[in-house]
Amino acid sequence: AQKVTQAQTEISVVEKEDVTLDCVYETRDTTYYLFWYKQPPSGELVFLIRRNSFDEQNEISGRYSWNFQKSTSSFNFTITASQVVDSAVYFCALSEETSGSRLTFGEGTQLTVNP
Amino acid sequence: ETGVTQSPTHLIKTRGQQVTLRCSSQSGHNTVSWYQQALGQGPQFIFQYYREEENGRGNFPPRFSGLQFPNYSSELNVNALELDDSALYLCASSLGGVFHNEQFFGPGTRLTVL
Repeated sequence: AQKVTQAQTEISVVEKEDVTLDCVYETRDTTYYLFWYKQPPSGELVFLIRRNSFDEQNEISGRYSWNFQKSTSSFNFTITASQVVDSAVYFCALSEETSGSRLTFGEGTQLTVNP
Repeated sequence: ETGVTQSPTHLIKTRGQQVTLRCSSQSGHNTVSWYQQALGQGPQFIFQYYREEENGRGNFPPRFSGLQFPNYSSELNVNALELDDSALYLCASSLGGVFHNEQFFGPGTRLTVL
């Protein structure tokens, strides 16, 4: 069965610090997809990134970067030079080839960036 | 391009009542998924509709049912409401056919059951 674990429930940093959000997943499929979403206080989930299991290249988008390591079943998310607007709940999610495109989410990490 | 919209924004019902939540998918998307998010938890998959057919269901009882219309908008119906049904209900649309595309979420409907 698929499972996503985000062990960090809450993280608090000071503006301009770098912060890494951890995500560990479990799946029996060889083909799967990993996602990160951001949920600001307004409640709407905002898509950040999608990676498939065959693409282990790290990705950078502005201040955001993602590190995908199949060997440790991890898909970690780093925010460089954090800003107050980054404060939100961040969810990691997984969908398996054999389970259709349903998303299995982790419990989320509440990130608070203080000025 | 119009994003995903949901109605109503908030809803208060009493135990035993029935409720219908609505979702309009993003332009060009033919797949709608529904999720339930209890306070402080991650969203849980309820079911998905692809071209008007149910295309997968999560671990929810039959009193949770849905529909997708020819314009790909969707409804979630919950019968015999229970207190534990209080949650944020999220609708997401995506382009199916090529599965596992990113899902775009609406703002949600906050349901409170008293």
